[in-house]
Amino acid sequence: EVQLVQSGAEVKKPGESLTISCKASGYHFGTYWIGWVRQLPGKGLEWVGITNPSDSDTRYSPSFQGQVTISADRSSNTAFMQWDFLQASDTAMYYCARLPYLRDFFDYWGQGTLVTVSS
Amino acid sequence: QSVLTQPPSVSGAPGQRVTISCTGTSSNIGTTYDVHWYQQLPGSAPKLLIYGNTNRPSGVPDRFSASKSGTSASLAITGLRVEDEADYFCQCFDISLTASVFGTGTKVTVL
Repeated sequence: EVQLVQSGAEVKKPGESLTISCKASGYHFGTYWIGWVRQLPGKGLEWVGITNPSDSDTRYSPSFQGQVTISADRSSNTAFMQWDFLQASDTAMYYCARLPYLRDFFDYWGQGTLVTVSS
Repeated sequence: QSVLTQPPSVSGAPGQRVTISCTGTSSNIGTTYDVHWYQQLPGSAPKLLIYGNTNRPSGVPDRFSASKSGTSASLAITGLRVEDEADYFCQCFDISLTASVFGTGTKVTVL
């Protein structure tokens, strides 16, 4: 069974750094791209970016380029999203999700990680 | 900001048929890239509902169907049920952005 289990909720202050994770199981991690989606409170879904665990090729939405870093570690079957300098506007739910082989949609989703940035 | 526009809300009585539109441009839906749809129940992660314009993953009832034409796509729910109350989002790749985009989202209410 394919599962994506995300790390727990975080409360941070503006200016702090943060890395959230998404541990995959039930499939060959290196074969499928994995991505991240943001959902601001009460708002819609935003495509952040995707990464290929086999070669670290990573693509970002222009809105998120330079704002976050997406990566994956094949040894631990885990994907990451990292912020170096959090802002209050980063407060949101973040979902990781898997892309089927050579496809551009998300077939399996994590449960979400709530990130709250507040002074 | 989303480049795919959906109506904020649609509603219908149990058993009725509702449709949700997803309007894009020649840079996304108007290309050969597929449109996909997701259902997000309250308090839950999104779930894949339709992929490749018209295909249902295993386990999705055939009450859900979708189509694509020109620069628009639509999702139809027939035999509306209370458990269909959720937010629905379309998704497509945008060649100008070289990234995927989601629609603005539509809340379905069962009256």
